[in-house]
Amino acid sequence: AQSVAQPEDQVNVAEGNPLTVKCTYSVSGNPYLFWYVQYPNRGLQFLLKYITGDNLVKGSYGFEAEFNKSQTSFHLKKPSALVSDSALYFCAVRDTGFQKLVFGTGTRLLVSP
Amino acid sequence: GAGVSQSPSNKVTEKGKDVELRCDPISGHTALYWYRQRLGQGLEFLIYFQGNSAPDKSGLPSDRFSAERTGESVSTLTIQRTQQEDSAVYLCASSGGGLAGGLYSYNEQFFGPGTRLTVL
Repeated sequence: AQSVAQPEDQVNVAEGNPLTVKCTYSVSGNPYLFWYVQYPNRGLQFLLKYITGDNLVKGSYGFEAEFNKSQTSFHLKKPSALVSDSALYFCAVRDTGFQKLVFGTGTRLLVSP
Repeated sequence: GAGVSQSPSNKVTEKGKDVELRCDPISGHTALYWYRQRLGQGLEFLIYFQGNSAPDKSGLPSDRFSAERTGESVSTLTIQRTQQEDSAVYLCASSGGGLAGGLYSYNEQFFGPGTRLTVL
């Protein structure tokens, strides 16, 4: 079975500082990994994905994520946080041969001015 | 359309009533998904449609839940005899991928704004 864990319910960071939102996964085959962001009263927006290739994936709004197979992790990062980055972030995984996404429980990012 | 749309945006109903939620996917997207998001929780997969293939209903929580899709366009999620635990945001997503040469598509899913269902 495929699963995703987001160990932090909330991450607090000051504007201008680097941010990391953690995600670990478990799949039986090759993982296809995604990050989505959810702003209040809005649907999920796609940020980035890892399918294969380079372990460092760059996405929207200056976000990037690093795929680490040995640690089964796919942490979301940004070098300099903005207040407008404050939102709910979801990591998701899709196992080989499956179409449905399995989502983590989400991490609330709070960037203070 | 430019994005996935869902209607209604909000629905308040009484316990025991039936409700229908609608999703209009992005034009040309062959795959359509329904998810449920309970307050403070992640997304829970409900059902997946891919072209004319039989839908994957493995996530539907009970036989009170059903969904249909007309061709590769509109989908309707129906909840019969609603219960208070059905209260959640119901999200629809579509993607441009599908079975091609035996390989699954790896395209990302695009989500609608959701329907917030409240069962009193």
